[in-house]
Amino acid sequence: GEDVEQSLFLSVREGDSSVINCTYTDSSSTYLYWYKQEPGAGLQLLTYIFSNMDMKQDQRLTVLLNKKDKHLSLRIADTQTGDSAIYFCAETPIRNNRKLIWGLGTSLAVNP
Amino acid sequence: GAVVSQHPSRVICKSGTSVKIECRSLDFQATTMFWYRQFPKQSLMLMATSNEGSKATYEQGVEKDKFLINHASLTLSTLTVTSAHPEDSSFYICSARGTDYLGYEQYFGPGTRLTVT
Repeated sequence: GEDVEQSLFLSVREGDSSVINCTYTDSSSTYLYWYKQEPGAGLQLLTYIFSNMDMKQDQRLTVLLNKKDKHLSLRIADTQTGDSAIYFCAETPIRNNRKLIWGLGTSLAVNP
Repeated sequence: GAVVSQHPSRVICKSGTSVKIECRSLDFQATTMFWYRQFPKQSLMLMATSNEGSKATYEQGVEKDKFLINHASLTLSTLTVTSAHPEDSSFYICSARGTDYLGYEQYFGPGTRLTVT
């Protein structure tokens, strides 16, 4: 089946690194995504990784993919208060490349 | 690039009336658009997938006669909530996928907050 799981809450201090984790069940996933949703707003694509990659870095964001364990993580370096939001992990299974399978979202709270 | 807009951003309507929500891709042609519903503090629930010029594909449990979707052009899809009830109150988000970008990338609109009184 298709399932994506995330821990629901994460709290960090400003300036620390945040690591948000996600596990998925479908080994045929092609793309895996991280989206950010600020309160009352739509979703912003933060970054994505193709399934044949292990790591992708984009400024303060680092995505790690462990395909064997079906584990995806998003690391935010030097976390700022503006990073407080809900972060959704999503995947696109190869057999249904139009559909995104979503995790429930991790609510990140950044404390000054 | 890749901007998706939604209109209106917020709407309050009376029970029994119909509400139309528009989703537009502003700088690209969207061959596929998706409509999602999000309840407070919950993930997104895919309601339907619409391809330009054809009927929408609804997810299981979504009433197609209640949530009418029209994808008449490559830049516009509309969702009409017919005979709205208070339980239809929710945050509705659309996304669009074009052919000019990475094959599976979706761009999201800012969402429409619907409140039915």
